[in-house]
Amino acid sequence: QKEVEQDPGPLSVPEGAIVSLNCTYSNSAFQYFMWYRQYSRKGPELLMYTYSSGNKEDGRFTAQVDKSSKYISLFIRDSQPSDSATYLCAMYGGATNKLIFGTGTLLAVQP
Amino acid sequence: SQTIHQWPATLVQPVGSPLSLECTVEGTSNPNLYWYRQAAGRGLQLLFYSVGIGQISSEVPQNLSASRPQDRQFILSSKKLLLSDSGFYLCAWSVPSGSYNEQFFGPGTRLTVL
Repeated sequence: QKEVEQDPGPLSVPEGAIVSLNCTYSNSAFQYFMWYRQYSRKGPELLMYTYSSGNKEDGRFTAQVDKSSKYISLFIRDSQPSDSATYLCAMYGGATNKLIFGTGTLLAVQP
Repeated sequence: SQTIHQWPATLVQPVGSPLSLECTVEGTSNPNLYWYRQAAGRGLQLLFYSVGIGQISSEVPQNLSASRPQDRQFILSSKKLLLSDSGFYLCAWSVPSGSYNEQFFGPGTRLTVL
């Protein structure tokens, strides 16, 4: 079993839709949870991070962590064509000093 | 502000040829440095990381090697490329004392081995 599972998509939504992106994980030692956005042929850029369980909001983006279910989500409200990208979840914590990434979900927002 | 550079941006190499990819970071001292490979549908695979000059940890056995000759320079090399070395190579850095290991990525090098 992979430490982090993420549906690769692609996910296609109309402009203005609410998007939900998710990851599950198996290592209960993870404490820091991140979402990166990667445009085609570019390096990933950090969107948001959260520590432990709870929600964090930044503009149209909300990150949610449920440690009891080992499940994290990223919600995008009022999605825009410029949100079209691959979204990667990443996690960190425990004995390792490595970030563990999901495989990424390809999102396409149709105008 | 900090900046990370990678070059070249794209590279096409024949099987069996050598490889050298370079990464440099500006605006920070003693960063942790990382090399990742990203293949389609497989996410980011950590290849090497370094916590200081000359200190390299290898994560995946392969025909690649890394070196850190200067504090803010990280080099990925191979003596003989394989077809399976094709991919998108990303360099990243992080602050050593960062609590959650936020990593900042470079623009990447797309390598095609023919």
